[in-house]
Amino acid sequence: GEDVEQSLFLSVREGDSSVINCTYTDSSSTYLYWYKQEPGAGLQLLTYIFSNMDMKQDQRLTVLLNKKDKHLSLRIADTQTGDSAIYFCAENGELIFGTGTRLQVFP
Amino acid sequence: DAGVIQSPRHEVTEMGQEVTLRCKPISGHDYLFWYRQTMMRGLELLIYFNNNVPIDDSGMPEDRFSAKMPNASFSTLKIQPSEPRDSAVYFCASSFRGIGNQPQHFGDGTRLSIL
Repeated sequence: GEDVEQSLFLSVREGDSSVINCTYTDSSSTYLYWYKQEPGAGLQLLTYIFSNMDMKQDQRLTVLLNKKDKHLSLRIADTQTGDSAIYFCAENGELIFGTGTRLQVFP
Repeated sequence: DAGVIQSPRHEVTEMGQEVTLRCKPISGHDYLFWYRQTMMRGLELLIYFNNNVPIDDSGMPEDRFSAKMPNASFSTLKIQPSEPRDSAVYFCASSFRGIGNQPQHFGDGTRLSIL
């Protein structure tokens, strides 16, 4: 079946860049999403990218898409403690979410 | 604008009891989704509705689970009888114009503990 995979944990120092990676299998996806989940809350849409794009930048966020390798990444520049959360990638074809990557930012 | 509203936020009950989780989607959204989140299994899609009609319930774990959407502004997820392994956070989400075009908006979830 279709699958979306992410690494489980990432720890970075405040001010550094964070890169969260995701691989997916459904090549029919039109959109790929990044969601952020803060403690005790639901998932909030952070950003998304059309499948015909390679890159999208939105302030501190940069999304890179490699369709050939079915690899999606989220880069957070100048990571802040408020960025500590779980980040999910998702593709719209099969409504499948990744396992989530827990980002911990330390001072 | 009000987001997706779920109730209760927390539920603690003994095994064997019936549990009912409630969701009010965003007004105007035509799709509604129920998810379950656990540490072991991550985020799982249980069932989704389009215009109040269940479309895919293949994620519903067992016959003990049932979901209804009697109208466009209300849905329930029921577990009867409940078991300790049902303990999880249950999320409801809604979206407009279907699966592909619009992202899903999530509620804050119901944290369910079955003792």
